[in-house]
Amino acid sequence: GENVEQHPSTLSVQEGDSAVIKCTYSDSASNYFPWYKQELGKRPQLIIDIRSNVGEKKDQRIAVTLNKTAKHFSLHITETQPEDSAVYFCAASIHQGGKLIFGQGTELSVKP
Amino acid sequence: DAGVTQSPTHLIKTRGQHVTLRCSPISGHKSVSWYQQVLGQGPQFIFQYYEKEERGRGNFPDRFSARQFPNYSSELNVNALLLGDSALYLCASSYTGLSNQPQHFGDGTRLSIL
Repeated sequence: GENVEQHPSTLSVQEGDSAVIKCTYSDSASNYFPWYKQELGKRPQLIIDIRSNVGEKKDQRIAVTLNKTAKHFSLHITETQPEDSAVYFCAASIHQGGKLIFGQGTELSVKP
Repeated sequence: DAGVTQSPTHLIKTRGQHVTLRCSPISGHKSVSWYQQVLGQGPQFIFQYYEKEERGRGNFPDRFSARQFPNYSSELNVNALLLGDSALYLCASSYTGLSNQPQHFGDGTRLSIL
């Protein structure tokens, strides 16, 4: 069925290090893969997204890669800062309509 | 421009009651989706509406219903509330509701069932 697996569930890095979060999706027809950052008590905030016709996308310190063959996509954060600390969710669209299937979340902690 | 707005922000109900949650999309957006987020988990899809028509429904019981109005705002209704309905209810809007369109979330309504 429709499923998105996300790893790791928690990630702790030192300020300035890189962080990588990985997701795997099950529906080969998925064509859109957003990443959301959710701080405690706040809304999920769209930080970057990628469509299935693109292999990589970068926005300043954040990048996302997509491997359609393996049905994997990853979030890369470089030069991490304490304000990057939050829960990050990956998601994959279902080809019909705007349904997003979310991963379980990764709690990122950036230690100063 | 205002983002997605939801009301109320918090709500406390007892088992068996019903609740109505409201959402106004970003100006110009015609599609609204509803998600349920239980503490410690990712959002779970409930409904999507576009141009007042239901476009998708998640795996939720018939106690959950929704509708969209001509101004593209939306309501989520939940009847016969259960303890397990306690969650953050999120509304997201997108321009067309197509599968490759960004969805932007509101702050949510935190529903507590006693």
